[in-house]
Amino acid sequence: KQEVTQIPAALSVPEGENLVLNCSFTDSAIYNLQWFRQDPGKGLTSLLLIQSSQREQTSGRLNASLDKSSGRSTLYIAASQPGDSATYLCAVTDSNYQLIWGAGTKLIIKP
Amino acid sequence: NAGVTQTPKFQVLKTGQSMTLQCAQDMNHNSMYWYRQDPGMGLRLIYYSASEGTTDKGEVPNGYNVSRLNKREFSLRLESAAPSQTSVYFCASAVQRSSYNEQFFGPGTRLTVL
Repeated sequence: KQEVTQIPAALSVPEGENLVLNCSFTDSAIYNLQWFRQDPGKGLTSLLLIQSSQREQTSGRLNASLDKSSGRSTLYIAASQPGDSATYLCAVTDSNYQLIWGAGTKLIIKP
Repeated sequence: NAGVTQTPKFQVLKTGQSMTLQCAQDMNHNSMYWYRQDPGMGLRLIYYSASEGTTDKGEVPNGYNVSRLNKREFSLRLESAAPSQTSVYFCASAVQRSSYNEQFFGPGTRLTVL
């Protein structure tokens, strides 16, 4: 059974720092991996999607990498801002085309 | 476009009461989903509907029923609420891409069962 783990559960850093969020999964048979952002009281917003054949995707200050063989992905946020404060979730699309989710990392950027 | 809407946003029930969570999407998507999110856990799929008229169980279907009323609407019903069903419920609709479903989420319903 596919399991997705995100460490740490929470992270607090000063504004301007670069940071890395981690996601690991147990079964490498995935179609893709996605990173989502969740703001309190709001739905989830997709940030980046990496296909299983890809190594990384970039959007603005965000860069996501995927190492399928080791079951790991990282989300790199450059020059963090208070507006980046949110919970970040990763999810893999499994062989049944279903999303399997991690529990998320709650990120706080201190001004 | 409103995207995916959910009602209500908040609800408090007593054990044994019933209620229906409503979800609607205006993106003409075929697929719709219901998830629950509990503290310290990832989202878990309750039920999904690949198209109008079809529904399938997800990972945690016990205690829930669903209705795909039409292409726009997908409701989740709790017949006899239990404290273990206290959670945040998310509805999503999806469009098929080449190798995955791109899902769009509603704002969630926060349900407390006393």
